[in-house]
Amino acid sequence: NAGVMQNPRHLVRRRGQEARLRCSPMKGHSHVYWYRQLPEEGLKFMVYLQKENIIDESGMPKERFSAEFPKEGPSILRIQQVVRGDSAAYFCASSEASGRPYEQYFGPGTRLTVT
Amino acid sequence: QKEVEQDPGPLSVPEGAIVSLNCTYSNSAFQYFMWYRQYSRKGPELLMYTYSSGNKEDGRFTAQVDKSSKYISLFIRDSQPSDSATYLCAMTEYNNNDMRFGAGTRLTVKP
Repeated sequence: NAGVMQNPRHLVRRRGQEARLRCSPMKGHSHVYWYRQLPEEGLKFMVYLQKENIIDESGMPKERFSAEFPKEGPSILRIQQVVRGDSAAYFCASSEASGRPYEQYFGPGTRLTVT
Repeated sequence: QKEVEQDPGPLSVPEGAIVSLNCTYSNSAFQYFMWYRQYSRKGPELLMYTYSSGNKEDGRFTAQVDKSSKYISLFIRDSQPSDSATYLCAMTEYNNNDMRFGAGTRLTVKP
């Protein structure tokens, strides 16, 4: 059973460009969570999605950031008009059900560098 | 004050030592307490979790939660070089998926 997959693993964007980060959850998992990890800091929750629904986006910046989890295909985290401060590691996690945080399995992350 | 405080270290110990990692928190509503291990350039991997107060043991690892002091600990016995990683504490309220993480403690176990 393959784990959570994220791609690309590394992404370099110039200021003002768009970044698209993809996350394929573990087989059988319909809940996806996105986290951001800044250098020397812990992970910070961004958004929680189920198939075709955003459940909790309380950690998502109000502008330039959006997320989706379509009926088919991976979850996408989109960052428009990237700035240097967006440089970070972005992790997604997936779970089979909600309400059991210890059952979130993390992917390897996408490291975004904005130049 | 951060919601979850964790000393970033770095912490360096000789092989075989007992390691103690700690976090403090401010939100008394936290009920689930997790410890993750993160190797360089990898995603976090769950080591242990505890619900509410108490101790939990799994092999060389012991997790403790003291809700009265808002203090959690992870002990590693007979530490090995392969334990060298960053250890993250995380916690959340009951029925809440928004985990709050500590900054992580970088541990090196020297052979």
